[in-house]
Amino acid sequence: EDKVVQSPLSLVVHEGDTVTLNCSYEVTNFRSLLWYKQEKKAPTFLFMLTSSGIEKKSGRLSSILDKKELFSILNITATQTGDSAVYLCGGAGSYQLTFGKGTKLSVIP
Amino acid sequence: GAVVSQHPSWVICKSGTSVKIECRSLDFQATTMFWYRQFPKQSLMLMATSNEGSKATYEQGVEKDKFLINHASLTLSTLTVTSAHPEDSSFYICSARGGGTSVSAYNEQFFGPGTRLTVL
Repeated sequence: EDKVVQSPLSLVVHEGDTVTLNCSYEVTNFRSLLWYKQEKKAPTFLFMLTSSGIEKKSGRLSSILDKKELFSILNITATQTGDSAVYLCGGAGSYQLTFGKGTKLSVIP
Repeated sequence: GAVVSQHPSWVICKSGTSVKIECRSLDFQATTMFWYRQFPKQSLMLMATSNEGSKATYEQGVEKDKFLINHASLTLSTLTVTSAHPEDSSFYICSARGGGTSVSAYNEQFFGPGTRLTVL
């Protein structure tokens, strides 16, 4: 059975801090690792990672995958209150995505 | 990016009634659509996968007679919760994936905004 584990489950930081969210996975026929941001409604896509060691960046967010250690991190620098959300990590196998439980990030002014 | 809509966004119904939720891909053809449910403070749980023109594949523990899925066209899938009960109250989200053989096309799912179902 595919498994995705995220840590921490919850995180509270001050504006301007840098945070690192962790995701480990065990996915049969692994194809890619996806990160989503979920606020009040459905998740919005952030990154898809397929190759080890290649950092993907979008503004203050960046992510990298380690296929040897079965691990990915999502970094957010200079956090803002608008970054407050649940961040979901999903492992894509040959057929479906398996999601972790998410990390709830709260950024306080 | 591709747009997926869901209707209704919010529904309240009485116990024992059936509720239909629609999921539409607005600007692309979705060969595969996924239905998820999410309980408060929990992650998305895949309920079923539907491919256009064929029967849906349900995840273990999901009653296919209770959650009827129809994917009659490349842009529309419906989930009908039959004889809904309070324990079916949840946030239901669909996602759609287009065709193509590249990793990107295969794996990237576009999510609808979700439907909040409350059964009294």
